[in-house]
Amino acid sequence: GAVVSQHPSWVICKSGTSVKIECRSLDFQATTMFWYRQFPKQSLMLMATSNEGSKATYEQGVEKDKFLINHASLTLSTLTVTSAHPEDSSFYICSARLGADYNEQFFGPGTRLTVL
Amino acid sequence: GENVEQHPSTLSVQEGDSAVIKCTYSDSASNYFPWYKQELGKGPQLIIDIRSNVGEKKDQRIAVTLNKTAKHFSLHITETQPEDSAVYFCAASTTYIPTFGRGTSLIVHP
Repeated sequence: GAVVSQHPSWVICKSGTSVKIECRSLDFQATTMFWYRQFPKQSLMLMATSNEGSKATYEQGVEKDKFLINHASLTLSTLTVTSAHPEDSSFYICSARLGADYNEQFFGPGTRLTVL
Repeated sequence: GENVEQHPSTLSVQEGDSAVIKCTYSDSASNYFPWYKQELGKGPQLIIDIRSNVGEKKDQRIAVTLNKTAKHFSLHITETQPEDSAVYFCAASTTYIPTFGRGTSLIVHP
């Protein structure tokens, strides 16, 4: 139980294009999902909290117009990196919580984004 | 906000030895402390967690201890195996959103 998937697992794109990453909770409904960014050999940096049916809450310093988050259903959240540039290259990881009163987060396998 | 310090950054052990990773936190209101294992190119996997009303928790070869007074918690892995090699992250949580440590790269030599 508590499986989270991400798609794609890796993507290479040209500078200036937009990339969409999907995060799905496969066997449970997740009212809240989280998006993280991880640079090589570093810790996870929380980008935003995605709430089903409402706007995402972004962490300080994260551009909401650059990283568009949509959480249209209880099992799917998407992160779109708009007008991607090489500095956006990173490992993006989502996670999902079982419910509002649960601490446990279950992480997806991550998406490696490379912007040329 | 919460600040989590994790040590060591790298830990190298021989197969069969024990490994200990330590974390400290700053916010006394933190009440949930998970540990994650991350293998190369993969997402973090929850391996064990402990809540503030418990001092110790064990699951087969892994155990976690919590000292609320000193605000530190530790991960103990006994009888290490090569497949335990990975990066381990501790975290502390107050409002359901965890703050992560910087990670410990554990290397288990056969």
